[in-house]
Formats: sequence, structure tokens, C-alpha cells
Amino acid sequence: SQQGEEDPQALSIQEGENATMNCSYKTSINNLQWYRQNSGRGLVHLILIRSNEREKHSGRLRVTLDTSKKSSSLLITASRAADTASYFCATVGFNRDDKIIFGKGTRLHILP
Amino acid sequence: DAGITQSPRHKVTETGTPVTLRCHQTENHRYMYWYRQDPGHGLRLIHYSYGVKDTDKGEVSDGYSVSRSKTEDFLLTLESATSSQTSVYFCAARGLAETQYFGPGTRLLVL
Repeated sequence: SQQGEEDPQALSIQEGENATMNCSYKTSINNLQWYRQNSGRGLVHLILIRSNEREKHSGRLRVTLDTSKKSSSLLITASRAADTASYFCATVGFNRDDKIIFGKGTRLHILP
Repeated sequence: DAGITQSPRHKVTETGTPVTLRCHQTENHRYMYWYRQDPGHGLRLIHYSYGVKDTDKGEVSDGYSVSRSKTEDFLLTLESATSSQTSVYFCAARGLAETQYFGPGTRLLVL
């Protein structure tokens, strides 16, 4: 069963604007990760946030985590055409045998 | 891609034929994974390996088998391909802090 659910499923914004994607999950997590997938390519890890962290930054990326609401958001500031891709959240539980579970993704399209 | 390659990158086969996909990594990762990606389903785990000759089933393992005789190679076999196995297959390896490194994918079409 899917753990993370991204929202929206698709998003189109003008170049230069900020893009926000959300992820909700159901059970307690050890960490939550965001990945990007360009068309026809494999997923690329962007950022990881642990359950005891609330916010993390990496370049133009800002991730927040609210464990009380079981949700996370990914903000991409000053979007560029190259940011056009699908973005996936993925969750990892606390048990040693827990496997990373991916959501279905948000398709982001940056308009010129 | 952290040194992960997949072969073949594209394959067309007929229903009932066996198919083997290969994943090769150069970073000595212990954990390796096979996923399939389909529209509307996202990524689904087929099988994974936690060491040489140590494998286990994932969410959608029926019709698939895997083998790992060397750290660097993880093979996925479709014993008798069906049209429902038409998909894009991704191999991944687990790096530090539970992040995953993905290969470029294999597009499989079963006619």
C-alpha cells in the first residue's frame, strides 16, 4: 500500500514563480525523502528530512515536515525550465526491515 | 546515478517467453531493489536484496524472481512474460542515510 500521497497530481506554473508540492502519509516515519524524475530517466534523490527535524534547505529547495499532521511540503523557489519533472515523496519507517515507500508523484511543468 | 547501470535499456518480447533484466552497480552497495513504474501506480517494489544470495519479496513479486550471486549484480527474471508485465523497470541501490540511487530504467514491452 502507498504510504505517501502527493498533492497536487499535476502543477503548471510560470518560470520564476515558486512551486509547492505536498505529501501526506499514514504511519510514523523515521525520515521522509523527496526525489525528482525527469522524463525517461531514473529518480534522483533531492533531500532527506528526519522525523525530529521541522525544516531543511538545499539550494532553492525547502522542505518542511509536520509529524503531528503527517505531512511534508517541498518548495522550489524561483523555478526554472529545468525544474520540469515529476517529484516523489518517499517515507522510511523505524523498523530495520522497513522499506522505503514512494508516493505516486506530482508532475511539475514550468511554463516559459 | 551513482554507478548503477541497467541492461537492456529497451526490450520487446512475446508473451510466454522468459526475460532477464540486469542491474550492475560499482559502489559496493549492500541493499539493491527492483521496482516497476506504471501510470497511476507510481513505483512499486518487486524484490529486494540485502546481500549476496539474500533476497526477499516486495509488494508485487508474483511472476518475478531475482538472483544476486555477486554484490555488483542483481538480476530480475520474468519466468514467462505476460502483457501485464509491460512496464518500466528500475533498479536501485541503497546508499547512506537510507537514500536510494536509481538506474536509468528498462522499458519492457510484452506483446
